[in-house]
Amino acid sequence: EAEVAQSPRYKITEKSQAVAFWCDPISGHATLYWYRQILGQGPELLVQFQDESVVDDSQLPKDRFSAERLKGVDSTLKIQPAELGDSAMYLCASSPRSYRRGQGFYEQFFGPGTRLTVL
Amino acid sequence: AQSVTQLGSHVSVSEGALVLLRCNYSSSVPPYLFWYVQYPNQGLQLLLKYTSAATLVKGINGFEAEFKKSETSFHLTKPSAHMSDAAEYFCAVSETSGTYKYIFGTGTRLKVLA
Repeated sequence: EAEVAQSPRYKITEKSQAVAFWCDPISGHATLYWYRQILGQGPELLVQFQDESVVDDSQLPKDRFSAERLKGVDSTLKIQPAELGDSAMYLCASSPRSYRRGQGFYEQFFGPGTRLTVL
Repeated sequence: AQSVTQLGSHVSVSEGALVLLRCNYSSSVPPYLFWYVQYPNQGLQLLLKYTSAATLVKGINGFEAEFKKSETSFHLTKPSAHMSDAAEYFCAVSETSGTYKYIFGTGTRLKVLA
């Protein structure tokens, strides 16, 4: 069964360092999502890609966070510099939906996440 | 703006007892609704979804949920709890157009007592 892959699974870093997370969506999925899940809370959408384009990054702290999906396949989320408050689980999800083809609803499939601890 | 409220951050049930996890949504039009389960240090797994078809939705692992428009609720139930059901459960709502953005509730941690 196809799955969303994420790496690393765990990352410990010190405050002010740079960190990067990688996500490989299910093959053929046009839409990719990055979520942040703070302990004890539900996931919050950081950025949504449609192929290589960003369609929603309204909750992404752009002063320190960046995300790219250059070829419309895998994606990288970067934090620079990391702060103590960034400690969380970072989840990637994908969906087969394509806006260009005018498709309707498709569910999101989640990866195992990357747990980040900032010391 | 859409929102989701999950009543009870922690729920404990005895093994074999009924599981009831509550979810209420706020939306001007009937949205899409989901229940996800999350085990420690893992991603989210879809239990079931409501996408405007049957109001009683059956999912995996014996779970089901009923969409009640008049009560703006989508409560999750399972007739008989199993030890393996211990996990965190999230209710989510999605718009039915545009970016189909998901809004998640704060989660309910289910504990199953032997």
